Amino acid sequence: GAVVSQHPSRVICKSGTSVKIECRSLDFQATTMFWYRQFPKQSLMLMATSNEGSKATYEQGVEKDKFLINHASLTLSTLTVTSAHPEDSSFYICSARGRSTTEAFFGQGTRLTVV
Amino acid sequence: AQSVTQLDSQVPVFEEAPVELRCNYSSSVSVYLFWYVQYPNQGLQLLLKYLSGSTLVKGINGFEAEFNKSQTSFHLRKPSVHISDTAEYFCAVSESAAAGNKLTFGGGTRVLVKP
Repeated sequence: GAVVSQHPSRVICKSGTSVKIECRSLDFQATTMFWYRQFPKQSLMLMATSNEGSKATYEQGVEKDKFLINHASLTLSTLTVTSAHPEDSSFYICSARGRSTTEAFFGQGTRLTVV
Repeated sequence: AQSVTQLDSQVPVFEEAPVELRCNYSSSVSVYLFWYVQYPNQGLQLLLKYLSGSTLVKGINGFEAEFNKSQTSFHLRKPSVHISDTAEYFCAVSESAAAGNKLTFGGGTRVLVKP
């Protein structure tokens, strides 16, 4: 299958700072990317869907000004957690789908800890 | 709206014993069904999917699942587990046939294989 790389795999940041997470499709052009969040011992919840070159569509209850998503190229989408708080600590996972693929592939995930 | 219920949050099982993970869903429209596996601190890997056709679906690593429309279930089975099957398993539904597109996940079932 296609490869999606997510970076960093782990990050610890101080409360009030911003953190950027990258999601890259390594061997295909990702026209659509999805960002999920997984709290400890809970399931994955879709946060937003982004299509290359357009604004992301956020799920109900997800603050778009806090979770900034940029999908400026066909191989890269970024999620920036702004003014992070301890309650933002979670496992963030992206998935990417290409124009010619019918399946979306998941990145390895990023564990964010806000202290 | 869709929802997915995984009835067991944890399933301990001895090596070489069979395992069944239960999944029930609800939806007002036709859905497509998926099972994913998540190893510790990793992203999700698609095990198998049901789109149409035969209700018995075979996936990777010896897993299979059976779609039962009348019972709205999609239980996952493996006749003989290995230590390496220790992981968390997620059942998911989508209105799209393309795996990984906008998914609704169940709460997950943690499988612990004991020697």
